[in-house]
Amino acid sequence: DAMVIQNPRYQVTQFGKPVTLSCSQTLNHNVMYWYQQKSSQAPKLLFHYYDKDFNNEADTPDNFQSRRPNTSFCFLDIRSPGLGDAAMYLCATSRDIGETQYFGPGTRLLVL
Amino acid sequence: GQQVMQIPQYQHVQEGEDFTTYCNSSTTLSNIQWYKQRPGGHPVFLIQLVKSGEVKKQKRLTFQFGEAKKNSSLHITATQTTDVGTYFCAGRLNRGSTLGRLYFGRGTQLTVWP
Repeated sequence: DAMVIQNPRYQVTQFGKPVTLSCSQTLNHNVMYWYQQKSSQAPKLLFHYYDKDFNNEADTPDNFQSRRPNTSFCFLDIRSPGLGDAAMYLCATSRDIGETQYFGPGTRLLVL
Repeated sequence: GQQVMQIPQYQHVQEGEDFTTYCNSSTTLSNIQWYKQRPGGHPVFLIQLVKSGEVKKQKRLTFQFGEAKKNSSLHITATQTTDVGTYFCAGRLNRGSTLGRLYFGRGTQLTVWP
């Protein structure tokens, strides 16, 4: 009964090679978030969608983009991954901003 | 700058000892949420506190929200090895341009020795 699904769970890419991570939800929540989490650190919010409205965090590099084609799906595109982009990427959803967030299992990205 | 501060960053306890983690914000919070992330896992929602001075309990876990709604704590009584993980607080600001979004604390990584 997975509610927030992320694929793949592990992704290996080469330096500079574009990569896309996907997230889907069965909760019909309005808000979808993408976080980057590095070892022993708090999740860092990259951006979020409220319905179709995209909200970027001020310190999110331009290298990171996102798409939300419909309510259920949201994608994270990394245009030119660098070694520093290796991390766990977490997708989360909430019914409304500030409400309980439901996290997916994450995609661990390795950049070679 | 970081909106929500959380201490300590690491805590190692013997099984049966108590554990407390603290969160503090310079800005009044609308609410505060607590999440637990097991090693290798993802954050899982534990509880939300909304009212000034609110105290909630979940078995051995006690959550408090300060009177000024700027600080919060999570206390675990008689820790067990199953309590191992990182505990995050996440505060929702009361005002500002990013009204409504959650700001995560850095987390407290709890290790319990059997």
